[in-house]
Amino acid sequence: EAGVVQSPRYKIIEKKQPVAFWCNPISGHNTLYWYLQNLGQGPELLIRYENEEAVDDSQLPKDRFSAERLKGVDSTLKIQPAELGDSAVYLCASSSEGWQSAYNEQFFGPGTRLTVL
Amino acid sequence: SQKIEQNSEALNIQEGKTATLTCNYTNYSPAYLQWYRQDPGRGPVFLLLIRENEKEKRKERLKVTFDTTLKQSLFHITASQPADSATYLCALDTTYDKVIFGPGTSLSVIP
Repeated sequence: EAGVVQSPRYKIIEKKQPVAFWCNPISGHNTLYWYLQNLGQGPELLIRYENEEAVDDSQLPKDRFSAERLKGVDSTLKIQPAELGDSAVYLCASSSEGWQSAYNEQFFGPGTRLTVL
Repeated sequence: SQKIEQNSEALNIQEGKTATLTCNYTNYSPAYLQWYRQDPGRGPVFLLLIRENEKEKRKERLKVTFDTTLKQSLFHITASQPADSATYLCALDTTYDKVIFGPGTSLSVIP
C-alpha cells in the first residue's frame, strides 16, 4: 500500500515569493491534515479536512496561507507571499476515521522542507 | 495555559537497557494519548495508542502507561537497540476536538 505522498521534498525560495505544496493521501482516507513542524518541535496543525470540507482551519494564517482539497482526495497548501519565518517542514497526514474515532492513527508523509531566504 | 512537556534533554542510554520517556500535560482531559516515532527527514510514524481508562498498553518491546491523575504518560522501550534511536513524540486529543503534539524527546541508544 502506498503511503502519503508529498512534493516537492525541498523548496528554496526568496521572501515574498509564492510557494505551493502538494499532498496525495492514502487511498480511502477521508481525513487529511496539514502540519507545520519547526526544528526541535512537534507538528502543529494548520488545517484539517474531512473529505473536501475544511473542518478546522483555526490555526491557518489566512492572510497568506490557503489550502484546498478538490474532490476530497489530493490537497494543495499555498503560501503567498512567503516570509522568512515560514521556513519549516510542512507535513501532510491522513487518517481513515477522523477525530471521532478512538483509533485515530495518522499516517504522515515525508514532509516538504521549505527554506525562505 | 495548556501545555504538553516531554523530556527536555536528549536521552542517551546503553544498548540493552530500558529507555523511559515522559510526557506530561496540564489543563487537558484527553480521552486518549498516542506515541509516535520520527526519524530525521521523515514524518512521524504511529506506535501506540492508550485510552484514558487503560493503565498500560504493550506492543512487543514497547510499553506505555497513562496516569490521568498525575497527567502523565510513560513510554518504555525494553532491551533497547541502536535502531531505536529516534525522536519520540506524544500526542493527545483535546477538548477542542483536535490532537496536540508534544515537542518530542530525542533518544540515542549507544552500542
